[in-house]
Amino acid sequence: EAGVAQSPRYKIIEKRQSVAFWCNPISGHATLYWYQQILGQGPKLLIQFQNNGVVDDSQLPKDRFSAERLKGVDSTLKIQPAKLEDSAMYLCASSLERGESYEQYFGPGTRLTVT
Amino acid sequence: AQSVTQLGSHVSVSEGALVLLRCNYSSSVPPYLFWYVQYPNQGLQLLLKYTSAATLVKGINGFEAEFKKSETSFHLTKPSAHMSDAAEYFCAVTTYSSASKIIFGSGTRLSIRP
Repeated sequence: EAGVAQSPRYKIIEKRQSVAFWCNPISGHATLYWYQQILGQGPKLLIQFQNNGVVDDSQLPKDRFSAERLKGVDSTLKIQPAKLEDSAMYLCASSLERGESYEQYFGPGTRLTVT
Repeated sequence: AQSVTQLGSHVSVSEGALVLLRCNYSSSVPPYLFWYVQYPNQGLQLLLKYTSAATLVKGINGFEAEFKKSETSFHLTKPSAHMSDAAEYFCAVTTYSSASKIIFGSGTRLSIRP
C-alpha cells in the first residue's frame, strides 16, 4: 500500500513570495490533515478535510494561508505572501473516516525556509 | 479540551539501558492516546496506540506504553535502547467527541550514548 505522498520535500523562498505544497493521501482515506511543525515543537493542525469539505480550519491563518481538496482526493496548501515565521515543516496526514481508531498516517513533509 | 504534557524535552540514555519517556494527558472524557516517532526531516510514524482496550500496549521496535488512568499517564518504555532509537518522540491525544482531531505534545528528543 502506497503511503502519503508530498511534494516538494524542500523549498526555500524569500519573504512575500508565494508557495504551494501538494499532498496525495492513502487511497480510500476520507480524512486529510495539514499540520505545521515549527522546529522543536509538536505538529499543529492547520486544516482538516473530510472528503472535499472542511471540518476544522480554526488554526489556519486565513489572511495568507489557503487550502483545497478538489474531488476529495489530493490537496494543495498555499501560502501567499510568506513571512519569516512561516519557516517550518508542513506535514500532510490522512486517515480512514472512523474505523481505524483515529490513526493518522503521515507523509514525509515539506521543509519550508523563508529568507 | 484535551492536552498532553511531555516531561523532559531531551532524554539521553546509554545503549542497552532502559528508555523511559514520560507523557501525562488531560481529558474530560475517555482518551485515545498515541506515541509517534520522527526521524530527522521525515514525517511521523505511529509507534503504538491506546484505544480503551488493554492498558499495556505493545508497539513496533520493542516499545510499549501503559495507560494509567489514576495517574493520567501514558509513559513510553523500551527495555534496552539501540542506537537506531535516536529520534524525536511525540505523545498525542484525541477523543471520540473531537472528530478525530489529535493534539500533540511538544516532543522529547531521545539521544543514545554508545
